[in-house]
Amino acid sequence: SQTIHQWPATLVQPVGSPLSLECTVEGTSNPNLYWYRQAAGRGLQLLFYSVGIGQISSEVPQNLSASRPQDRQFILSSKKLLLSDSGFYLCAWSGSYEETQYFGPGTRLLVL
Amino acid sequence: AQSVTQLGSHVSVSEGALVLLRCNYSSSVPPYLFWYVQYPNQGLQLLLKYTSAATLVKGINGFEAEFKKSETSFHLTKPSAHMSDAAEYFCAVSKYGNKLVFGAGTILRVKS
Repeated sequence: SQTIHQWPATLVQPVGSPLSLECTVEGTSNPNLYWYRQAAGRGLQLLFYSVGIGQISSEVPQNLSASRPQDRQFILSSKKLLLSDSGFYLCAWSGSYEETQYFGPGTRLLVL
Repeated sequence: AQSVTQLGSHVSVSEGALVLLRCNYSSSVPPYLFWYVQYPNQGLQLLLKYTSAATLVKGINGFEAEFKKSETSFHLTKPSAHMSDAAEYFCAVSKYGNKLVFGAGTILRVKS
């Protein structure tokens, strides 16, 4: 069966520091991968999605970037965090030609 | 363009009462529709999905949803609420390119 992992689970970072969040998927090949942000009291905002290694599409301009160095690894990064980057970050995967997305446990990021 | 509207950001029911969470969609093509549940500080879990087969879809934990094309609705119901159903629920519609558009979410409170 497929599983999706995210780490760290919780992160507290100062403003201006770098960020790296990691997501990995097991039990499937060539998945579509997604990064979402969920800010307090707001819905889910799609940040990035990827259909293959090195292929990243950005949904909204922001202070973040994403990379996919391996088939089942998706990384969310920032060079300098802003207060507004605080939130709950969710990674998700779907099959190559499927609509259903499956979510990881999330990372809670607090920027102080 | 596809969009989703969830009526009621908060719904409160008594334990044992009917749960009804409303979702209306807008889609220019026959949609795939989803309901997800999110417990505090966790990722989203798929409850059920409609993929143009049966209009009444049964999901996990006793939930079901009915696709009504004439009303462009996909409301989520459960005959008898349980305390463990307290969570936030998201309706979503598929968008081109294997992306999903999520509603703003409905927080369900279950009173004892």
